[in-house]
Amino acid sequence: EVVLTQSPATLSLSPGEGATLSCRASQSISGYLAWFQQKPGQAPRLLIYDASNRATGIPGRFSGSGSGADFTLTISSLEPEDFALYYCQQRSNWPWTFGQGTKVEIK
Amino acid sequence: QVQLQVSGPGLVKPSETLSLTCIVSGDSISNSYWTWIRQPTGKGLEWIGYVYHTGNTNYNPSLKSRITMSVDKSKNQFSLNLTSVTAADTAVYYCGRLRGSIADYWGQGTLVTVSS
Repeated sequence: EVVLTQSPATLSLSPGEGATLSCRASQSISGYLAWFQQKPGQAPRLLIYDASNRATGIPGRFSGSGSGADFTLTISSLEPEDFALYYCQQRSNWPWTFGQGTKVEIK
Repeated sequence: QVQLQVSGPGLVKPSETLSLTCIVSGDSISNSYWTWIRQPTGKGLEWIGYVYHTGNTNYNPSLKSRITMSVDKSKNQFSLNLTSVTAADTAVYYCGRLRGSIADYWGQGTLVTVSS
């Protein structure tokens, strides 16, 4: 099973600042990585798929990069609605797995 | 707009079977793969498995012996059965749509508690 390790566990930032979230896989997963955003009491929402493709309706301030085993989600300028939990997820090897999450909180 | 709604009991007794149904609107059940994911309270997400309208399935090996997924095309819905549940199966259960193995739409989720 592919283990995804996200860092940091918590990111404390102010609105308007940029955020960089990391996801490292225990083995190469090519580009088969997605990023999800989850807010309390809600289902996760797909942000990025296949490492760098924005999902439908996702604002341009969200971008993804990486390949192999190292991936990054970048939020260029945090809006108030971006403070949430973020998960990475791989679909290279079954069972597909998620990272443990990075919480982006208001500083 | 694709919408998914999970229905089923919120409380299941230990050793019994957890049964959930996901009703799909805005898309035909025959167009995609459909999936179940769960999230124990305060913990991370775990993929349970997925099903195609033909009946083809793929289950997480950690749960494979206890899972059955199926599709009802006449009702545009799909289902999950998890047998012999324990407290470790207490979680929010989500259903979702897969497009190219990507979970692009999720239902709101339902909390299922295993307790006597």
